[in-house]
Amino acid sequence: ETGVTQSPTHLIKTRGQQVTLRCSSQSGHNTVSWYQQALGQGPQFIFQYYREEENGRGNFPPRFSGLQFPNYSSELNVNALELDDSALYLCASSRDRAGTNEKLFFGSGTQLSVL
Amino acid sequence: GQSLEQPSEVTAVEGAIVQINCTYQTSGFYGLSWYQQHDGGAPTFLSYNALDGLEETGRFSSFLSRSDSYGYLLLQELQMKDSASYFCAVRPNDYKLSFGAGTTVTVRA
Repeated sequence: ETGVTQSPTHLIKTRGQQVTLRCSSQSGHNTVSWYQQALGQGPQFIFQYYREEENGRGNFPPRFSGLQFPNYSSELNVNALELDDSALYLCASSRDRAGTNEKLFFGSGTQLSVL
Repeated sequence: GQSLEQPSEVTAVEGAIVQINCTYQTSGFYGLSWYQQHDGGAPTFLSYNALDGLEETGRFSSFLSRSDSYGYLLLQELQMKDSASYFCAVRPNDYKLSFGAGTTVTVRA
């Protein structure tokens, strides 16, 4: 158990809809990152939030957006869902930005299916 | 960008030793990490190498050669519970990890 919780665990949406995924960081962690993991692949970096500001972004379109709240919990929002967005979405928290603390604590993810 | 190569599958018997190799290409490099993921579960941190050499943590060890852009994860005294996917990941900057496609390790009795 890492202390990182994600909700919901599973979600089914249809193409064109919008979705919000939620993540509660481990206590004492001020940095949260989101990753997308397609079946049989490694996680792909979406973006990172540090103290409520976006700190870095991967190769994902603007319809992927996020928020980090004062309690360091986080949301991932995806607009205009496409079939290829079907994947496991993982949230990872860390004590600080990655350069000073290498260990990421992952949640068990939200399995999103887009029909 | 980054690219990482690791074998897709490895099978071994209980008590054996398994080495998972990882070669990488990256424009920036802070270090190489390894994560374990059981089916349907969260990736779990195993080890991190920023400098050349061997890091040992119990039955697992990780090695890095920066000059060869190469690392490996060594799993010793394999147990059934070690059946999982193992990912190497490079850190090219201070905010993201770039993961390989993963190696599925199957441990047989």
